[in-house]
Amino acid sequence: DIQMTQSPSSLSASVGDRVTITCRASQSISSYLNWYQQKPGKAPNLLIYAASTLQSGVPSRFSGSGSGTDFTLTISSLQPEDFATYYCQQSYSSPLAFGQGTKVEIK
Amino acid sequence: QLQLQESGSGLVEPSQTLSLTCAVSGGSISSGDYPWSWIRQPPGKGLEWIGYIYHSASASYNPSFKSRVTISVDTSKNQFSLKLSSVTAADTAVYYCARAVITSGGILAWDLWGRGTLVSVSS
Repeated sequence: DIQMTQSPSSLSASVGDRVTITCRASQSISSYLNWYQQKPGKAPNLLIYAASTLQSGVPSRFSGSGSGTDFTLTISSLQPEDFATYYCQQSYSSPLAFGQGTKVEIK
Repeated sequence: QLQLQESGSGLVEPSQTLSLTCAVSGGSISSGDYPWSWIRQPPGKGLEWIGYIYHSASASYNPSFKSRVTISVDTSKNQFSLKLSSVTAADTAVYYCARAVITSGGILAWDLWGRGTLVSVSS
C-alpha cells in the first residue's frame, strides 16, 4: 500500500501569509495526487487534482505542484475562510489513500 | 444540481451490520461513468476510503475491510448503499458518500460529497 505523509501536521499563520503544505508518497505516484480542504463539521472540498490543476470555482491563490513522491500545496495569501484542514490523496493505486491532514490555524 | 444525501441507522450494536444508503438527486446515477463512493472519518481523525461502485454494479473495495464490506447500486431508485458487517467501536465514524470523476489522465478525484452521517457503534 502507498502511504501518504503530510507535513506539518498543523501550522499557525496570519491573514495574508504565504502557506506551504507538503505531501510525500511512499513510492512514486506520478501526478496522481489531489488536494482537499475540510472545514469543521463539513465534507471535504476538492481544491486541486492531478497535482496542479485547479478545480473549477477554487480561488487562484491555491496552487499545487510536484510529481513522483513529493508534492506541495501553496496558498499565496491566506484568507480568513482558508483556516481549515487540508488533505492530500493519491489515486495511483488501490487502496486509495489520504494523508493524515494539515490543520491551518489562526496565529 | 446534483446532490447526495446519506441515510441509515446512526447507532449500531457491536458485531451487527452497518447499513447506509446514499440518495442521488438532481440527476441520474446512470448518467456518465462515475465511481460512486463511500469514505469515512472517525471523530477527530483523517479520511479513509471504503470503496466505490459504478452504475453497472462493478465495485472496488479497500482491502483493509476484507470481506466485511458490500457496496450495491439500485439504478431504479437512483441510490447506492453500503453494508459493513461485524462492526466494532473502531467503525464509529462519519460516513460520507461521494461521486468521483476520472480525468482524461486517469486520475480519480472526489468532486461531489454528501453532508455525511455519524454512525456510532455501541451497545
